[in-house]
Amino acid sequence: GAVVSQHPSRVICKSGTSVKIECRSLDFQATTMFWYRQFPKQSLMLMATSNEGSKATYEQGVEKDKFLINHASLTLSTLTVTSAHPEDSSFYICSARASEGAKNIQYFGAGTRLSVL
Amino acid sequence: GQQLNQNPQSMFIQEGEDVSMNCTSSSIFNTWLWYKQDPGEGPVLLIALYKAGELTSNGRLTAQFGITRKDSFLNISASIPSDVGIYFCAGGGYNKLIFGAGTRLAVHP
Repeated sequence: GAVVSQHPSRVICKSGTSVKIECRSLDFQATTMFWYRQFPKQSLMLMATSNEGSKATYEQGVEKDKFLINHASLTLSTLTVTSAHPEDSSFYICSARASEGAKNIQYFGAGTRLSVL
Repeated sequence: GQQLNQNPQSMFIQEGEDVSMNCTSSSIFNTWLWYKQDPGEGPVLLIALYKAGELTSNGRLTAQFGITRKDSFLNISASIPSDVGIYFCAGGGYNKLIFGAGTRLAVHP
């Protein structure tokens, strides 16, 4: 399958700082990437859809000014958690959609564990 | 909104046993995907289904796209310890995926 690289894998930061997470599709171009948040023992919750060259589409209840998304190229999307607070601590996972003919599949990064002190 | 009902929530089985899990929805999906997630990792794609009635295998794994397009199942035959993890179904159209709550599988040697 296609490879999606996500960095960093873990970050610990102080409250009030901003954290940037990168998601790269290594062997395919992804016009669309997705950002998910996962709480312990729960399923993936879609936060936003990142579209190359245009604004991200946020799910209801997700603050766009809090979670800044930039999809500057066909292989890179970034999520910046601005002014992070302890309640933002979570596991963040990105995915990239690969189009294989008429079939669209999402491949996931390894996730980023964010801990805000 | 669209929701998926995934069952069972958890399973505790002996090594060598077969496993079956399923997902149902009130909505029709064009795609059914099955992923496995290990602790602290992102989900890994196991099987992708695109056509109603499609039956696809990947080694010891077999999955089917229900005829009504509202359900899918995943079977694992002759389980081994490394099958431990959380299995998620996901239904989707062209863009978003809707995920089930997951099936947590434990395999005892």
